[in-house]
Amino acid sequence: GNSVTQMEGPVTLSEEAFLTINCTYTATGYPSLFWYVQYPGEGLQLLLKATKADDKGSNKGFEATYRKETTSFHLEKGSVQVSDSAVYFCALRMRGWGKLQFGAGTQVVVTP
Amino acid sequence: DTAVSQTPKYLVTQMGNDKSIKCEQNLGHDTMYWYKQDSKKFLKIMFSYNNKELIINETVPNRFSPKSPDKAHLNLHINSLELGDSAVYFCASSQGTSGGDEQYFGPGTRLTVT
Repeated sequence: GNSVTQMEGPVTLSEEAFLTINCTYTATGYPSLFWYVQYPGEGLQLLLKATKADDKGSNKGFEATYRKETTSFHLEKGSVQVSDSAVYFCALRMRGWGKLQFGAGTQVVVTP
Repeated sequence: DTAVSQTPKYLVTQMGNDKSIKCEQNLGHDTMYWYKQDSKKFLKIMFSYNNKELIINETVPNRFSPKSPDKAHLNLHINSLELGDSAVYFCASSQGTSGGDEQYFGPGTRLTVT
């Protein structure tokens, strides 16, 4: 079956540090890939997405590139802020009636 | 202006009770979903409706019954609540079922069963 694996947290960083959260997937076919963010006490918000190989999604300084050869969709940000503290979820969705399948989530804590 | 809303935000109840969670979206979307987030933050789909028809029904106890009176609403009714049902339940909606369609999530309902 399809699945998403992402690095375990928590990831603790100082403000202005570089952030990478690894995400790899297993899928039969060609999924769309997503990063969602969940701030404390809130629902999930779409951060970025990519629908085909070599697409790069970007938003709010975050980037991720759909790599078919390594089945990966790693999330990066060059300089994090305290306000980036949240749980980040990598997810995939197959075409058609596909459901969103999430990784386990990675908590990121940014300290001043 | 809230895109996807859920009521109630918090629900505390005793084992054996029956409860409902309501969800409404004002985005004009055709597809709605229920997800469960456990205490470790793991998210899993429960149900999905497209134009009021059930299209995804994961392995969920039949104590859980979704109902979609119209495209804008998807309610979740839970019978005979158990301790293990304690979780945060998220409603979501999307325009369609295409792989790239963004899903918009509600703020969640934290259910605590005592």
